Amino acid sequence: DTGVSQDPRHKITKRGQNVTFRCDPISEHNRLYWYRQTLGQGPEFLTYFQNEAQLEKSRLLSDRFSAERPKGSFSTLEIQRTEQGDSAMYLCASSLSWGSGNPYEQYFGPGTRLTVT
Amino acid sequence: AQSVTQLGSHVSVSEGALVLLRCNYSSSVPPYLFWYVQYPNQGLQLLLKYTSAATLVKGINGFEAEFKKSETSFHLTKPSAHMSDAAEYFCAVSTGFQKLVFGTGTRLLVSP
Repeated sequence: DTGVSQDPRHKITKRGQNVTFRCDPISEHNRLYWYRQTLGQGPEFLTYFQNEAQLEKSRLLSDRFSAERPKGSFSTLEIQRTEQGDSAMYLCASSLSWGSGNPYEQYFGPGTRLTVT
Repeated sequence: AQSVTQLGSHVSVSEGALVLLRCNYSSSVPPYLFWYVQYPNQGLQLLLKYTSAATLVKGINGFEAEFKKSETSFHLTKPSAHMSDAAEYFCAVSTGFQKLVFGTGTRLLVSP
């Protein structure tokens, strides 16, 4: 078990470009969450999946944002037509939703820091 | 809706002193409460959690927190601060298998 991984760790893009981030959860975890963290703030929930189904989306997730988890394993988060306000750390977390483990615990990846110039 | 308030964006202590980081929550249903720590340019690491069992919860690195329903609080403490404790600490609330709602964080500064 290598933990939650995210790629890339850093991304610099110009305003108006599209970007895509990838998250690989802990292998046996069926839930996957995306959060966004801006400087000096706590993480804010964006969306989450149970297996391949997207169960909840925040109002923060404008129609420029789309997330997928096509086979219930890794997930991608795409931002279209990036804006300077999209600059933030994008965090991925995973958890179980049942079982004898720790279903309430979300394990976080190292994050992808996006800078929009 | 659930929310968390962390009092004090910065807390400074001397090495060896008591650490107290404050967290108050608001929830219309019995909450699950968490403390996470974040080191610079890293993700969040779970310190401890309250999930309706014992009200005094012990976590990693000598931290503990007490759930007080009457005060809607879940303050984080450590008897003796270490230099390596310097980091950002986040309190979070959820209803269980759901999203986490985080506070704005408290930066702990530890001086020699």
